[in-house]
Amino acid sequence: EVQLLESGGGLVQPGGSLRLSCAASGFTFSTYAMSWVRQTPGKGLEWVSSISGSGGSTYYADSVKGRFTISRDNSKNTLYLQMNSLRAEDTAVYYCAKDLFQGAAAIRGWFDPWGQGTLVTVSS
Amino acid sequence: DIQMTQSPSSLSASVGDRVTITCRASQSISNYLNWFQQKPGKAPKLLIYTASSLQSGVPSRFSGTGSGTDFTLTISSLQPEDFATYYCQQSYSTPWTFGQGTKVEIK
Repeated sequence: EVQLLESGGGLVQPGGSLRLSCAASGFTFSTYAMSWVRQTPGKGLEWVSSISGSGGSTYYADSVKGRFTISRDNSKNTLYLQMNSLRAEDTAVYYCAKDLFQGAAAIRGWFDPWGQGTLVTVSS
Repeated sequence: DIQMTQSPSSLSASVGDRVTITCRASQSISNYLNWFQQKPGKAPKLLIYTASSLQSGVPSRFSGTGSGTDFTLTISSLQPEDFATYYCQQSYSTPWTFGQGTKVEIK
């Protein structure tokens, strides 16, 4: 069974940093692209970033480009999101999600399944 | 960016009803359209990908149609466990974008 378990969320002041982790199990992690998607009551679901299975390709939403960095450690089956220069509008539940189909170099944006989410609150 | 617009934003229906939700893209996305179901406090769950392909384990009462800019999700006979919020999402080009959601409530 595929399992994705996020951690690292919490309360951080504006301008601060946080690193989210997503521990994966139940599939060959290195052969699937992975993504981060966030959700707020006001803005709904927003794709944040994706990385190919090999880690060689990354995509970012304009809203986080230059501030967030996605990475992965395939030896640890773990996905990361380093979030710097955090703003109030980054407050959200952050989900990691696996791509539906295999492909070490491909990123398709078909999110299945998703982890349970971790809450990030940016506030002074 | 491709804008995804769902309608209605919410609907009330009874068990056994046929329910249809529509999703419109601001430009053609071929068939790169996915549907998700989300229940309160839970992560979204993929129901349908590439407009009409039923994800493994999803009941056959769910179906999707459409291509280009106009898509529909149909629940043929609403069941108690189907009361939830439904989202469409385009996977045609980045940034991948979601509709604002349709909340299906009990009448």
